[in-house]
Amino acid sequence: DAGVIQSPRHEVTEMGQEVTLRCKPISGHDYLFWYRQTMMRGLELLIYFNNNVPIDDSGMPEDRFSAKMPNASFSTLKIQPSEPRDSAVYFCASSRGGGMETQYFGPGTRLLVL
Amino acid sequence: GQNIDQPTEMTATEGAIVQINCTYQTSGFNGLFWYQQHAGEAPTFLSYNVLDGLEEKGRFSSFLSRSKGYSYLLLKELQMKDSASYLCAVRPGGSYIPTFGRGTSLIVHP
Repeated sequence: DAGVIQSPRHEVTEMGQEVTLRCKPISGHDYLFWYRQTMMRGLELLIYFNNNVPIDDSGMPEDRFSAKMPNASFSTLKIQPSEPRDSAVYFCASSRGGGMETQYFGPGTRLLVL
Repeated sequence: GQNIDQPTEMTATEGAIVQINCTYQTSGFNGLFWYQQHAGEAPTFLSYNVLDGLEEKGRFSSFLSRSKGYSYLLLKELQMKDSASYLCAVRPGGSYIPTFGRGTSLIVHP
């Protein structure tokens, strides 16, 4: 298995632009998680899905952030419009059964908003 | 709110033992996790404690005291590859969403 796949691996954009991060979970995993990591705030869970349905988005910082999972093999995290404070590493993770202990993380997308 | 405290940085010698502490104040409790994260990489799961006591897994052990809001991660026979950041995360009562500490950067030197 290829593991969790994220794209792009690096993204540099200007303030105000739309940013779309993509994630392909491990086949057969029914949970998908989006995290953000910064030096200031550490690692934060933004939102998670079960069987493509968003279960808890209380970690999403504000309305500029949205996440979708149109099918079991693909999810997106969108920021519109982007701001410099959104600069962070965004991780996607998936698991079978929802256990945190069985999560597999993707390599992350390093986002820089100028 | 939730509050997780752990030391920012620790250093230790190869072959030694190191204990990384984590204290927390949360609304209820629903499990504590430890993750390892090497620089530039994603976190990897190390341990999960929901009951008091010590959980041992090879060179790594994790301890929990719910009454004290305290956990530690014990690393034995340190190796250079153990140099990494160690994240403590606590899931408050009635929630699936964990709160992560800022992480403890462990430097293992020869």
